[in-house]
Amino acid sequence: AQTVTQSQPEMSVQEAETVTLSCTYDTSESNYYLFWYKQPPSRQMILVIRQEAYKQQNATENRFSVNFQKAAKSFSLKISDSQLGDTAMYFCAFGGNRDDKIIFGKGTRLHILP
Amino acid sequence: KAGVTQTPRYLIKTRGQQVTLSCSPISGHRSVSWYQQTPGQGLQFLFEYFSETQRNKGNFPGRFSGRQFSNSRSEMNVSTLELGDSALYLCASSLVVGPDQPQHFGDGTRLSIL
Repeated sequence: AQTVTQSQPEMSVQEAETVTLSCTYDTSESNYYLFWYKQPPSRQMILVIRQEAYKQQNATENRFSVNFQKAAKSFSLKISDSQLGDTAMYFCAFGGNRDDKIIFGKGTRLHILP
Repeated sequence: KAGVTQTPRYLIKTRGQQVTLSCSPISGHRSVSWYQQTPGQGLQFLFEYFSETQRNKGNFPGRFSGRQFSNSRSEMNVSTLELGDSALYLCASSLVVGPDQPQHFGDGTRLSIL
C-alpha cells in the first residue's frame, strides 16, 4: 500500500527566509502524481503545486518549487522569500494509477514569523 | 464560479445521535470525496463518489455512510456518534475521478461530540 510521510510536524521561519518541507512516499508504481496542498488558518485547503512522476523537470509555481527525487521517493516543497500569508498547514499527497484515491500525509504546520 | 459548499459549518451532537453533512461541488464537477481531519491523524479518506456510485471507501466503520445525487451533490451520514468522531469533515470535488485530479476543498464541517 502506498504511504506518505511528512517528518516535520511543525516548523517556524522568519519572514523572507527560504524554507523546505519534506515529504517521502512509498509506492511500487512507476507512474503517479504528487501534490502539495496548503490549508491556512481559515481552513480551506488549496492546491499549491502538482508533479507528474514521469516528468523529470521539477514543478514551479511562483515562489513555490519542488525537489522531486524519484529514486529516493522524495518530494520536498521549497518556499522562497516566505511571507506571513504562507503560514498554514501543508499537506503532501500521492495519487497512484491503480488506486484512484488520493493519499495525504499528516501535514506540516508552518509558521512564518514577522 | 462558486466553490465547494459544505453545510452546516458547525455541529454539536451528543453520543449516540446521528448526523448528516452536505456537500455541493463546484458546478460541472462530478467526483466528490470526503475526508476526516483530526490533529493526530491528519486527513483520513472516507469515501469517493462519481456519478452516484461509490468508487472508493476508506477504512472506517459502517457507521459512516454516504451518497451522491444526480446533481453531484453529496451527503455523508454518521450514525451512533462516538466521542472519537469529533473532527473537521472536509469535502472535495474534482471534474472526474483519477489520481491526477486536483482536489477542490470546501471549508469543512466542524463536528463536536459531547
